[in-house]
Amino acid sequence: DTEVTQTPKHLVMGMTNKKSLKCEQHMGHRAMYWYKQKAKKPPELMFVYSYEKLSINESVPSRFSPECPNSSLLNLHLHALQPEDSALYLCASSQVHLFYGYTFGSGTRLTVV
Amino acid sequence: ELKVEQNPLFLSMQEGKNYTIYCNYSTTSDRLYWYRQDPGKSLESLFVLLSNGAVKQEGRLMASLDTKARLSTLHITAAVHDLSATYFCAVDALLTGGGNKLTFGTGTQLKVEL
Repeated sequence: DTEVTQTPKHLVMGMTNKKSLKCEQHMGHRAMYWYKQKAKKPPELMFVYSYEKLSINESVPSRFSPECPNSSLLNLHLHALQPEDSALYLCASSQVHLFYGYTFGSGTRLTVV
Repeated sequence: ELKVEQNPLFLSMQEGKNYTIYCNYSTTSDRLYWYRQDPGKSLESLFVLLSNGAVKQEGRLMASLDTKARLSTLHITAAVHDLSATYFCAVDALLTGGGNKLTFGTGTQLKVEL
């Protein structure tokens, strides 16, 4: 299996809702990442997990809460989002050592109404 | 802070023509990536350049890396309509806590006219 699987592919949520994005990989990668991409902009790093521990938080608002329950799974919990949080959320994974690049998932298109 | 700049931001070209996209970055890095993104889709990896002087080619696309100049180029030969997409370069840096931080360039929106 050489893929990163993201679910759901599309999500519409209200500003008072709580939802979660899920990312899964079975390549044995021990680093996992969340990126946010607004329309016509480059992806921006949000969080990095290395060996299931949070390695970097790029000053992301607390309404985004990441979780890495095991080496194959990465979640992004969403609560009280704003319309400006609407974007494409991309998950990626990589090896930590003997680095050969990143594998990106297909993304979740999030719309906050 | 690592900064990655691409130019041009927009590129409209005719089929059969050649063109080059440039990617400059601000701090030392030995790894540079090129990605393609179609509208509404995720990132497709095109090239990974790991050392100074690296050159890779796939079809009508060729990428090169000059780490001393902190410059990478993506050359398009005899463009075809199917190459229309947004192209990103990206540079990464090793994090002390593990993992890597990948910083993307501004992107080049390429449109190949029939």
